[in-house]
Parts: sequence; C-alpha cells; structure tokens
Amino acid sequence: DAEITQSPRHKITETGRQVTLACHQTWNHNNMFWYRQDLGHGLRLIHYSYGVQDTNKGEVSDGYSVSRSNTEDLPLTLESAASSQTSVYFCASSAEEIVTGELFFGEGSRLTVL
Amino acid sequence: GQNIDQPTEMTATEGAIVQINCTYQTSGFNGLFWYQQHAGEAPTFLSYNVLDGLEEKGRFSSFLSRSKGYSYLLLKELQMKDSASYLCAVMDSNYQLIWGAGTKLIIKP
Repeated sequence: DAEITQSPRHKITETGRQVTLACHQTWNHNNMFWYRQDLGHGLRLIHYSYGVQDTNKGEVSDGYSVSRSNTEDLPLTLESAASSQTSVYFCASSAEEIVTGELFFGEGSRLTVL
Repeated sequence: GQNIDQPTEMTATEGAIVQINCTYQTSGFNGLFWYQQHAGEAPTFLSYNVLDGLEEKGRFSSFLSRSKGYSYLLLKELQMKDSASYLCAVMDSNYQLIWGAGTKLIIKP
C-alpha cells in the first residue's frame, strides 16, 4: 500500500543545532506540504512543493527550509533550532489533479528544542 | 485576516448525536473540509463541501452555508472510537487550506 512516512518520530535537540526531518511518500503525489501543530492553533503551513525543484514559503516559513530533488521526498531543515520551534510537525501530500484539498498525512514528528 | 472558529471542546454520550460548528472568514472560498485526528495520530480526511447543503457519509454528515460562512459536522450514533479532535479547514482563493484549531470531542459511556 502507498504511504507517507516521517522520521524521526521523536527528537530532542539543543538550541542552535541544525535539524532535518525527513518525509517520504510512495503515492507518487506531486504536491507535498509541511505543517506544524501547536496547542490552541490550527495546522500552520511552513513550506510546500508542487513538484520536483519547486518549493514555496508558507505562513510560518522563517527559520525553515525545504528542498525537492525527487517526487518522493521533501525534507524539512531547521537551520538553527530555537525553543519556539518545539512543536509537532506533519508532512502531507495530495494528488495534483484533485483540487478537493484531501491531504494524506504522515504520523508526525515531535521535536523538542531545549 | 482569515479566521476559522470552532469550539475548543465538546462532550457527548455514547449512542447520541453531536453537532460541531465551524464559522469562517476567508479570502475567497474553494471548499470546506473536515478532518478527524485521534490523540497522537495524523489527521484523516472526513468530508468536503463546496456547494450549500448537506453531504451524508454513513454516520457522519457535513453541512455548508456559504452565505453565512458556516458549516457543521454531525455525528450520529456516537461510539467511543469517535473520541477525537475534529478539524475544520477552508480552501481560500489561493487554494491554500486555512485550519481551525480543532474541537476535542469527548464521548462518555
């Protein structure tokens, strides 16, 4: 079965360190997204991509970067982790031809920045 | 600014019916979505409304009124496994999803 996986599922790091969260999907979807989820807030879009070599900033992109070198992967990098980036991060994908907004989410990566 | 409002928490009894409301103010409208999220898990798609009216899918129904900026998710014959957060999201004119903070539904026996 096609799926979307994230790693690591849990990570603790220190302020100032670089962190990369991996996202891999086997749906062959062109559209991929990174969200963060914090208590009291809706999902907030960090970065998104509509295909290989395409990346776009979302609502809360400061301090984050992504790259899209193939269809399957969209890694999220925190260049210099800050305590404000402690959160649960979700990767998601959707099929290009569907403008219905149905997203398929990974299981999430819980990041703690000390 | 863009805003999605839904109650923070609701409690209902097993076997009963519950209605979760969502009101929105967005730049344009290209559909409204409901997702279910169990604690510690990923959100999963429940429903999509783009035209006014009721969409029924088994025990779950979703209603939309575009003129009122209002939607609700109706859950019938509640089961303990329905205990979860329910997320309302609207697709704006740029085809971006704007998410509400979610409604935590607690089901009591």
